[in-house]
Amino acid sequence: AQSVTQPDIHITVSEGASLELRCNYSYGATPYLFWYVQSPGQGLQLLLKYFSGDTLVQGIKGFEAEFKRSQSSFNLRKPSVHWSDAAEYFCAVVANSGYSTLTFGKGTMLLVSP
Amino acid sequence: KAGVTQTPRYLIKTRGQQVTLSCSPISGHRSVSWYQQTPGQGLQFLFEYFSETQRNKGNFPGRFSGRQFSNSRSEMNVSTLELGDSALYLCASRRELANQETQYFGPGTRLLVL
Repeated sequence: AQSVTQPDIHITVSEGASLELRCNYSYGATPYLFWYVQSPGQGLQLLLKYFSGDTLVQGIKGFEAEFKRSQSSFNLRKPSVHWSDAAEYFCAVVANSGYSTLTFGKGTMLLVSP
Repeated sequence: KAGVTQTPRYLIKTRGQQVTLSCSPISGHRSVSWYQQTPGQGLQFLFEYFSETQRNKGNFPGRFSGRQFSNSRSEMNVSTLELGDSALYLCASRRELANQETQYFGPGTRLLVL
């Protein structure tokens, strides 16, 4: 079965600084990869996804993620963080064969300091 | 296009009671999944329905059940509530039962069991 690790429970970034949130997955092949964001009291909003092809994917709100097969990683980045980016971020995977559903990491809470 | 809607948004119940939560998927989406989110366990998959049939089930006791109607709307039921059932219950829909299909989440129902 696949699993997802988000090593950082909390991250604090100054407004305007760059951001990288880490995500590592465990799966025998390349899974389908997703990043979701959850604001307080809200559901999950899809930021971006990777299925195949170009390993650098662009998402909404200025986010991007890079898939690195050799490191089993799918890290989320943003060049300049805004205060409105404060939220919890979840990395998730789905197997690319057989039948499967989303497996989530534990999430990373992003705090933005002025 | 309207997003995934869930009712009610908030619910307070006492131990031993039962509860029913409702989810209306995005128009045209035929698959509905349910997830439980708690601070300790994170996001965990409950079950997925497609064409009124349960297609996949997570590792939850039989007190948790669900169903899907012909219009793709879904309900989940929790019987004999326990304190540990307090959680945010998220519903997600996708067009087809395919692993690469993006799941879109509703705002969730927050259940508090006293």
